[in-house]
Amino acid sequence: AQSVAQPEDQVNVAEGNPLTVKCTYSVSGNPYLFWYVQYPNRGLQFLLKYITGDNLVKGSYGFEAEFNKSQTSFHLKKPSALVSDSALYFCAVRDMEGAGTASKLTFGTGTRLQVTL
Amino acid sequence: GAVVSQHPSRVICKSGTSVKIECRSLDFQATTMFWYRQFPKQSLMLMATSNEGSKATYEQGVEKDKFLINHASLTLSTLTVTSAHPEDSSFYICSASQGDYGYTFGSGTRLTVV
Repeated sequence: AQSVAQPEDQVNVAEGNPLTVKCTYSVSGNPYLFWYVQYPNRGLQFLLKYITGDNLVKGSYGFEAEFNKSQTSFHLKKPSALVSDSALYFCAVRDMEGAGTASKLTFGTGTRLQVTL
Repeated sequence: GAVVSQHPSRVICKSGTSVKIECRSLDFQATTMFWYRQFPKQSLMLMATSNEGSKATYEQGVEKDKFLINHASLTLSTLTVTSAHPEDSSFYICSASQGDYGYTFGSGTRLTVV
């Protein structure tokens, strides 16, 4: 079974400072990893994904994530946080069952990012 | 980019009635759609996976007779909550797969059963 862990319920950072939201995963084969952001009463917005290739993935709104196979991690980062980045962030891994068809995502529990002035 | 339209965004219904939620892929064909339920301050719980033209696959513990899913076309999937009760109140989100490892989410439906 696939699983994702987001060890922090909340991350607090001052505007302008770098931010990191942690994610570790467990899969039996190669992981397909995703980050999504959710604003209140809204669906999920795609930030970035890792399928293969460079370990550093750049995504939307200045976010990036680093895939680390040895540590089974896929931490989300941003060099300079904005107050508008305050939201709920989800890490997800694609289920490897049913390869070749659309497979379901397994989500972490989410991390609330709070950016203050 | 790919857009998934989910409607309604908010609905209030009386206990015992049924509610239908629609999920449409506007600019792509979605062979597979997923329905999630999200409780306050919690993660997304996958309820079922629907494939166009076939029966939905429900996750363990999800009542298929209560949460009816229909995926009659490549652009439309519907979730009907039958005989809704207050405990069914939640935030429901659909997602459509684009097949290239892309997943696009609807904006969600806040269901309140009174």
